[in-house]
Amino acid sequence: GENVEQHPSTLSVQEGDSAVIKCTYSDSASNYFPWYKQELGKGPQLIIDIRSNVGEKKDQRIAVTLNKTAKHFSLHITETQPEDSAVYFCAAHNDYKLSFGAGTTVTVRA
Amino acid sequence: KAGVTQTPRYLIKTRGQQVTLSCSPISGHRSVSWYQQTPGQGLQFLFEYFSETQRNKGNFPGRFSGRQFSNSRSEMNVSTLELGDSALYLCASSPGGPGTGELFFGEGSRLTVL
Repeated sequence: GENVEQHPSTLSVQEGDSAVIKCTYSDSASNYFPWYKQELGKGPQLIIDIRSNVGEKKDQRIAVTLNKTAKHFSLHITETQPEDSAVYFCAAHNDYKLSFGAGTTVTVRA
Repeated sequence: KAGVTQTPRYLIKTRGQQVTLSCSPISGHRSVSWYQQTPGQGLQFLFEYFSETQRNKGNFPGRFSGRQFSNSRSEMNVSTLELGDSALYLCASSPGGPGTGELFFGEGSRLTVL
């Protein structure tokens, strides 16, 4: 089955700096890659996604890049703000389910 | 548009009991998936329902079951609860058909088994 690895597990950044989270996947048949943000006591919230026929996608301060050849994708958050502090999960969709990374706890220092 | 609604939000059970969790998807979404979230195993796929039929199932024992009603609302049931079943159970709905990937999650039902 699909195996998704996510790094780093924790990330602390100064407010205003950028944050980058990287994920790799194992199954070349995976074709959809969403990113979720989960705040304490809440469910995961879809923040951005990318399909396998696209290399990069941007939405305001958030961007995602996909390298199909290397089987890795990344989340970039620019100009980080305190409200960006949360756990972020990457996922890869293959066949019928999403396989999730283990999560990255992002802390934005004021 | 209202999001995915899950009830109850919190519940405590003892070993051997059974539990039923409920999920109302986003209006118009016909596909409902369930995931289990634990600190040790992360987010694990339980099953997916579409048009009242279970389309896909993850690697969980038969104690975990579910169903979907004609209005797309879904329930999952766990029988003979074990301590290891303590987790956040997340329901997600999708605007597409089964297996299309785009999932919108509810807040979850946090189950504690004592």
